[in-house]
Amino acid sequence: DVVMTQSPLSLPVTLGQPASISCRSSQSLVYSDGNTYLNWFQQRPGHSPRRLIYRVSTRDSGVPDRFSGSGSGTDFTLRISRVEAEDVGIYYCMQGTHWPPTFGQGTKVEIK
Amino acid sequence: EVQLVESGGALVQPGGSLTLSCAVSGFTFSNFEMNWVRQAPGKGLEWISYISSRGDSILYADSVKGRFTVSRDNAKSSLYLQVNSLRAEDTSLYYCARGGFRYLEYWGQGTLVTVSS
Repeated sequence: DVVMTQSPLSLPVTLGQPASISCRSSQSLVYSDGNTYLNWFQQRPGHSPRRLIYRVSTRDSGVPDRFSGSGSGTDFTLRISRVEAEDVGIYYCMQGTHWPPTFGQGTKVEIK
Repeated sequence: EVQLVESGGALVQPGGSLTLSCAVSGFTFSNFEMNWVRQAPGKGLEWISYISSRGDSILYADSVKGRFTVSRDNAKSSLYLQVNSLRAEDTSLYYCARGGFRYLEYWGQGTLVTVSS
């Protein structure tokens, strides 16, 4: 299985400041169709996961533009340009290129 | 509005069985692939099963293959997961999620399965 490694696992941030989460895969996530199936999910405390970004950098409908995704191959990043209180939670990357789909361990974002 | 509502979770003894359900609304169920994903208490996410829109393609994670069975009833807009031979390590919140296994675009709120004697 493809191993997804996130860092850091804990991210204390100051309101209004940027935050960045790294996700690395053990194999390239470029699929034979040319797409890279790398998703980012947000799980707020007590809630189910919500997809924020798919195919590396495409934001889902309703996701604030302070969230952005980038990367290629095996190295990916989720950035929050200015952290707000509602962004507290755990963020997961997930690859869908190789079967079975696998998730990173999660990064807990909290306010300092 | 897309809604997915899981039910059927319970406290069950090791070796026991349950059927989990996921009732959907707000979209044409028969047009979409579906998945089950689980999350052990305080832990991360684990994809466990996929079913195509017509039910003719099914996939399982190795951890549940042979014990879990996914099915769907498009007429009832419902997804199911039959879970057998339950083990303590199957204790989790079970989510249904819409979309191909590459995407997992919408998730329900989950139903809790606790395996304990």
